[in-house]
Amino acid sequence: DAGITQSPRHKVTETGTPVTLRCHQTENHRYMYWYRQDPGHGLRLIHYSYGVKDTDKGEVSDGYSVSRSKTEDFLLTLESATSSQTSVYFCAIRKQGGGNTEAFFGQGTRLTVV
Amino acid sequence: AQKVTQAQTEISVVEKEDVTLDCVYETRDTTYYLFWYKQPPSGELVFLIRRNSFDEQNEISGRYSWNFQKSTSSFNFTITASQVVDSAVYFCALSEAHGSSNTGKLIFGQGTTLQVKP
Repeated sequence: DAGITQSPRHKVTETGTPVTLRCHQTENHRYMYWYRQDPGHGLRLIHYSYGVKDTDKGEVSDGYSVSRSKTEDFLLTLESATSSQTSVYFCAIRKQGGGNTEAFFGQGTRLTVV
Repeated sequence: AQKVTQAQTEISVVEKEDVTLDCVYETRDTTYYLFWYKQPPSGELVFLIRRNSFDEQNEISGRYSWNFQKSTSSFNFTITASQVVDSAVYFCALSEAHGSSNTGKLIFGQGTTLQVKP
């Protein structure tokens, strides 16, 4: 157990509404990531963080923003949800900085935008 | 550009058969890392293995084995004597290392769905 909790686990929201997903870790790891999983695409990186208030864009960042005001929390916000953002969202942490260690993933959040 | 290709979308085998999941990657970096993850029907992502680009030794863990070949840019995964519990989606992933800017971002393949029938 890597100590990662995502909330909510499921959410249905209407087009145009803002949505915030939360990722909480208990082990003070520096790197945190948000990915989305869609059929035929595997997982794609949305945003990542390398420290408090230090974030950067990933491959599919349009329509998403993130914030990290505390080491343990990494928030993903859909400013105005669209149907194309219906997906399963995974948060991940990396136990040491850099690519030489594996990422551990949260349980996922299934978001449906209607 | 970095890319990971898992050409097999779905594979179906009968229990006890051996099965190989293919993974081909593209990168211009000389230092990189390769991973396999398993996603069972319950949905979580389970780490299976990490390989760095300087270590081409094949690895075996129980019924699982991995064949890393830099010459063909492949990192294939074989399950020997498959079992129903092996039914899952399997993802191959690539992470590049850029010295001090080692962000650990993962590039995933599309995934291969493995169904093992009793």
